[in-house]
Order: sequence, then C-alpha cells, then structure tokens
Amino acid sequence: GENVEQHPSTLSVQEGDSAVIKCTYSDSASNYFPWYKQELGKGPQLIIDIRSNVGEKKDQRIAVTLNKTAKHFSLHITETQPEDSAVYFCAAEPPPRTALIFGKGTTLSVSS
Amino acid sequence: NAGVTQTPKFRILKIGQSMTLQCTQDMNHNYMYWYRQDPGMGLKLIYYSVGAGITDKGEVPNGYNVSRSTTEDFPLRLELAAPSQTSVYFCASSLTGPTEAFFGQGTRLTVV
Repeated sequence: GENVEQHPSTLSVQEGDSAVIKCTYSDSASNYFPWYKQELGKGPQLIIDIRSNVGEKKDQRIAVTLNKTAKHFSLHITETQPEDSAVYFCAAEPPPRTALIFGKGTTLSVSS
Repeated sequence: NAGVTQTPKFRILKIGQSMTLQCTQDMNHNYMYWYRQDPGMGLKLIYYSVGAGITDKGEVPNGYNVSRSTTEDFPLRLELAAPSQTSVYFCASSLTGPTEAFFGQGTRLTVV
C-alpha cells in the first residue's frame, strides 16, 4: 500500500525566514496531495493541496511543488510568522481514492 | 455553522470498558472517516464510510466498530478497551472522496 515519508520531524526558524517541508510517496497512482496544519489542541485543517496534473500551486505565503517522476512533494512557507508555528502533515490519496494516507508530521516553530 | 462535531472531548476508560465516540457533520458530506493520532506517528485511518449504510476498514481497524445509519452521524465503538487504544481520535468528513476533508476537534481517550 501507499507509504508517505515526511521530513524533517522538527523545524525551527526565525521569523521572516522560509521553511520547507518535504514528503515522498510510494504509490505512483496517487494523484492528490494535501497539506494540513494542526494547531495545539485542534483538529487538522487543510491549507493547500495539489493534483498530479499540476507542478506548483501558490496561495499567498504558501506554495506546494510536486515532482511526479521522483514521487515527492514539498511545502514552502515564505516570510514565516509566529502564528505559522504548528504541526504540518502531508498526505497522499492512493487508489481506490477513498481515504488519505498521512505522513508523520513536522513540528514547525517560528521564533520572533 | 458547526462543521464536524465530536463528543466527548476527553474521556478516561478502565481496561475492559466500552464506549462510543460520537461524530456528526452538518455539511451533507457523503464521506466520513475515523483516524487515530499517536505522538510522532501521524494519523492512521481506522474506518471510513462512503455513504449511509456503507463502511469499510482502514489501516488499523482492530478493536473498533462503526456504523453509518444516517448521512450525518458516524459513531466509533470501542469494545473491551485496552491501553493500546490510548490516543487522540479524529473524525473527518468530505463531500466526494478524501479531497478537502474537514476534521473535528478530536477526542482524547486514555485507557488505564
């Protein structure tokens, strides 16, 4: 079955720096890759997603890139702010496209 | 606009007890999911449902049961609770497939 690996497990940056989180997946038939942000004591919230027919997608300070050949995708956060501090999860949607398989998460800490 | 509502938020169970985690959504979503989240392990899929009357196992279904008698509700039943079931449980829903899934706030369960 699908396996999603996520790195790093923890990431500390200074406010204003960029942060990059990387994920790899094993099932080449997966075609949907969302990123979720989980704040302390809350449920995960979708922040951006990308489909396999697109190489890059941006939404203000957040961008996601996808390399289908290498089977990896990345989350890029620019101009980080303290409120970006959270746990970030990547996920993939393998066939039969009924559920998501999640990575283990990255704890991002942004210090001011 | 409630979204996905989970009850209770916290619960302590003794080994061998049983309980039902409640999940309801008011978005008329067809798909509903139960995940468990253990520290450093990401989210693992327990069960999912693609519509009323239809349920299927995920990655870690042992020790759990579900039912889906209505579109809105997707309760998770724990029979004979074990310490290994200590976790945070999240319910999620989506309109069609796992894209744009909305998560509840979670239920923190401790089995002692």
